[in-house]
Amino acid sequence: DAGVTQSPTHLIKTRGQQVTLRCSPKSGHDTVSWYQQALGQGPQFIFQYYEEEERQRGNFPDRFSGHQFPNYSSELNVNALLLGDSALYLCASSFERGQGNTIYFGEGSWLTVV
Amino acid sequence: GQQLNQSPQSMFIQEGEDVSMNCTSSSIFNTWLWYKQEPGEGPVLLIALYKAGELTSNGRLTAQFGITRKDSFLNISASIPSDVGIYFCAFRDDKIIFGKGTRLHILP
Repeated sequence: DAGVTQSPTHLIKTRGQQVTLRCSPKSGHDTVSWYQQALGQGPQFIFQYYEEEERQRGNFPDRFSGHQFPNYSSELNVNALLLGDSALYLCASSFERGQGNTIYFGEGSWLTVV
Repeated sequence: GQQLNQSPQSMFIQEGEDVSMNCTSSSIFNTWLWYKQEPGEGPVLLIALYKAGELTSNGRLTAQFGITRKDSFLNISASIPSDVGIYFCAFRDDKIIFGKGTRLHILP
């Protein structure tokens, strides 16, 4: 049973470019959340998707957008990249009606903006 | 917004020693979560606490939900090299709010 899988694992982008990160949730999970973890910090919530809609959003600008597909997989898009967007981007999944509703994290995508 | 204060920021200990770290908040929480993150990995849930005063163990790990509901501690007994990593306290409000973490280093 595959856990949460993310791609790519590492990437380097230039300021002003756009990036798309991908996430496949754990089998059976229907809710996907994205977090940004800067170096030396805890993960910060970006947004959550359920039933292909953004359900909740953290304190991130509109440059950060996402999408959830019918198969529950998700994408995180960041436009007009800034140096400060360099971070580990974590995807987490859960089952909305699951007992205990445990959240599982992927290994993350390391984004470096130069 | 709600903030979690973790201490210490980092710890350097000898293998075999016991470890204690804690987390405080100005807000009252209904759950406390403890996660561990190893290099190159995402956070993994270690222990979840749901009731004030609750004391829960998971192997060598023990965590308690403070009576005031504003604090929690995590203890690790007889540390081993694979305990190295970053330990985060967190609470859940649909999303998860993390503290800044305690970095545990084990000296050879």
